[in-house]
Amino acid sequence: NAGVTQTPKFQVLKTGQSMTLQCAQDMNHNSMYWYRQDPGMGLRLIYYSASEGTTDKGEVPNGYNVSRLNKREFSLRLESAAPSQTSVYFCASGQGSHSNQPQHFGDGTRLSIL
Amino acid sequence: GENVEQHPSTLSVQEGDSAVIKCTYSDSASNYFPWYKQELGKRPQLIIDIRSNVGEKKDQRIAVTLNKTAKHFSLHITETQPEDSAVYFCAASTGGSNYKLTFGKGTLLTVNP
Repeated sequence: NAGVTQTPKFQVLKTGQSMTLQCAQDMNHNSMYWYRQDPGMGLRLIYYSASEGTTDKGEVPNGYNVSRLNKREFSLRLESAAPSQTSVYFCASGQGSHSNQPQHFGDGTRLSIL
Repeated sequence: GENVEQHPSTLSVQEGDSAVIKCTYSDSASNYFPWYKQELGKRPQLIIDIRSNVGEKKDQRIAVTLNKTAKHFSLHITETQPEDSAVYFCAASTGGSNYKLTFGKGTLLTVNP
């Protein structure tokens, strides 16, 4: 039982390059989330998907797009990477959908943009 | 939207002492309050949570208290051990169809042997 799996674990990009961060969960959760974590800023929500087929903006969505490919997978895309997007990105999943249940996190993707 | 304030940002204690971390929230409709522990370089992991229908919850050396009137909740760790050293995050949620968490900025707890 892998839980929440993120790929890649590390990535270095040049300004202007694009890339997609992948996330998959095997817990049959309805909701999935993308956060970024910067020093002293806690975890800030970028986008979330309350259920398959829906996505919504979080606190810091600018510069990102997401796709809820199916119930298991939720990807985050940077179309034109900027140095301000250097961060650790965490994907999480939860039962969500009216029930307050914990979110479970992946191991994170450490992204550096030069 | 919801705003969660967390204090202190850093906390240093001696092994065996107690540690208390406090959070306040702004949305009176919030009804779920989890606490996460994040060790260096690792993922955040849930350590305890509380729902609005109870005022206190304990799990061995950790406990969480909730005061809905004052809109604050606290994490208490007793008999601290070096392995308790980590960053702790509080969060709050109003639930509903678009359930999402709002996190505090975190507290770096250092337990000195």
